[in-house]
Amino acid sequence: GAGVSQTPSNKVTEKGKYVELRCDPISGHTALYWYRQSLGQGPEFLIYFQGTGAADDSGLPNDRFFAVRPEGSVSTLKIQRTERGDSAVYLCASSLFSTVANEQFFGPGTRLTVL
Amino acid sequence: TQLLEQSPQFLSIQEGENLTVYCNSSSVFSSLQWYRQEPGEGPVLLVTVVTGGEVKKLKRLTFQFGDARKDSSLHITAAQPGDTGLYLCAGVEGSNYKLTFGKGTLLTVNP
Repeated sequence: GAGVSQTPSNKVTEKGKYVELRCDPISGHTALYWYRQSLGQGPEFLIYFQGTGAADDSGLPNDRFFAVRPEGSVSTLKIQRTERGDSAVYLCASSLFSTVANEQFFGPGTRLTVL
Repeated sequence: TQLLEQSPQFLSIQEGENLTVYCNSSSVFSSLQWYRQEPGEGPVLLVTVVTGGEVKKLKRLTFQFGDARKDSSLHITAAQPGDTGLYLCAGVEGSNYKLTFGKGTLLTVNP
């Protein structure tokens, strides 16, 4: 089947605006992860879902960031009152199980630019 | 805070040369993964190493996990232009599912 897909691939917004980034995981994968990759850096963990619930949101930088996964498949990362420092590539990954050795499959990312 | 240090940060070599990149940490990891990322794409898993001292080979790529499970290396033999990309190491601590990534090594192999 298809891999992890993310939409939009690029998003340009103005400071202070609200944005939503969407992730479609691989069908049947119960675990879903969001990471953020800034220029010249490796991806940084944001939040992890097991099924519909956020099992760990310790990586969200502040309360402007929120993510949901209402039906246990598609997830949306929501950013309120965007700031220029939010500009980055937002990566989504999914895995069959949330175990140490379980491979995480990454999507191509959404490049967010806040002007 | 990045717990994994990768070196070198940039590497430009000619086709046919050998190279080694390093991933070091003061933390012990239950497993360590190596990914390759190309522009506009997400990281793609190359290998997972779990046991201290483990060596895994993937064609021309050789991965080693340190005895203390704090460091790892990736050696490429006879590099080809298709090996060009960002090589990332990522560690998993304990039974945690979260990946902690290094900053990566940007490799360019010139024909």
